[in-house]
Amino acid sequence: DVQLVESGGGLVKPGGSLRLSCATSGFIFNNYIMNWVRQAPGKGLEWVSSINGNSRHIYYADSVRGRFSISRDNARRSLYLDISSLRAEDTAVYYCAKDNYDQGGYYFESWGQGTQVTVSS
Amino acid sequence: SYVLNQPPSVSLAPGETARMTCGGDNIRSKTVHWYQQGPGQAPVLVVYDDRVRPSGISERFSASNSGNTATLTISRVEAGDEADYYCLVWDNISAHWVFGGGTKLTV
Repeated sequence: DVQLVESGGGLVKPGGSLRLSCATSGFIFNNYIMNWVRQAPGKGLEWVSSINGNSRHIYYADSVRGRFSISRDNARRSLYLDISSLRAEDTAVYYCAKDNYDQGGYYFESWGQGTQVTVSS
Repeated sequence: SYVLNQPPSVSLAPGETARMTCGGDNIRSKTVHWYQQGPGQAPVLVVYDDRVRPSGISERFSASNSGNTATLTISRVEAGDEADYYCLVWDNISAHWVFGGGTKLTV
């Protein structure tokens, strides 16, 4: 079974930084695009960033470009999100999601349980 | 950037049919995916590629995509179907994934 386990969230002051991690198992990690999606309290889902298997193709939402950096370590089967210059509006649960691909295209097939990031002074 | 519009809420009695829409400009040209999110839980894929149900998802879930509207239909709704439902597409122009704002289904 696919397992995705996020960690690294916490309480951080405005302007601070964090590194979120997503440990994976149950699939051939380097074959799949991986994604980060967040959800602010009481709000909907917001895509944050995506990275392909060899890290050559990386995409960011406009709201985080320049402040967030996605990366992966295929040997460790892990996905990361370095988040900096944090703002109150970055407060959210951050989910790691695994892609799948078929004739219809890509989609987010599996999700972790999320890690909470709270930005507050 | 591409925008997906979902009604904020739908309320039904058990046994009725829920139809939740996802509106977007010429959305039929895109592939739509649907997610269910229960309270305090991670999202779960319930339909991908416009109309395909993953294994383990009830046959009561179906979906379509035509014109400017994609629709997720849940027949014979049950209390356990209460959740937020989100549509998702890939926007080629902006190279962004786009979620709809979500619809809260109350049974």
